[in-house]
Amino acid sequence: GAVVSQHPSWVICKSGTSVKIECRSLDFQATTMFWYRQFPKQSLMLMATSNEGSKATYEQGVEKDKFLINHASLTLSTLTVTSAHPEDSSFYICSARAGGPNTEAFFGQGTRLTVV
Amino acid sequence: SQQGEEDPQALSIQEGENATMNCSYKTSINNLQWYRQNSGRGLVHLILIRSNEREKHSGRLRVTLDTSKKSSSLLITASRAADTASYFCATYSGGSNYKLTFGKGTLLTVNP
Repeated sequence: GAVVSQHPSWVICKSGTSVKIECRSLDFQATTMFWYRQFPKQSLMLMATSNEGSKATYEQGVEKDKFLINHASLTLSTLTVTSAHPEDSSFYICSARAGGPNTEAFFGQGTRLTVV
Repeated sequence: SQQGEEDPQALSIQEGENATMNCSYKTSINNLQWYRQNSGRGLVHLILIRSNEREKHSGRLRVTLDTSKKSSSLLITASRAADTASYFCATYSGGSNYKLTFGKGTLLTVNP
């Protein structure tokens, strides 16, 4: 299957700093990318959906100024956690899809963010 | 918000036994997908079943879909210790972005 690479796989940062997470589709063009957040032993919560070249669509309750999403090309989307706080510590996972809703979404390996 | 609800939340079986996990959802769907996640890792796509399909097989996996009951099941036959993981169902709901939303998952433990 297609490969989605997420970087970094883990990061530790200080409170108040910003962290950027990259999501790349390595061998296909991703028209749509999704960003999820997952707390320990819980399911994935969709944060936002991004389409290349347009603004991301955020889910209810997700602060768009806190979680900046940029989908500048068909192979790269970034999530920036701004002014991170300990409660932002979580596992963040991206996924990418090349086609419409009846096509498979491929997932990155996730990024574990710890804010100290 | 979560679309799917998996049942059971946790399942422990012996190697060689079959494992059945169920998923219920609330709204109409385009398709339903099952994913597997090893602890602290990304998700691996297992199988996609479209809303007009009733059953699908892939290796040791068998998925059924009952749109009248808004439910799906995932059967893993002849389980192995390596099948130990969390299993999630996910549905594509309506809207221009066709969001993929996940259920709460079933933690499967296969004991050697």
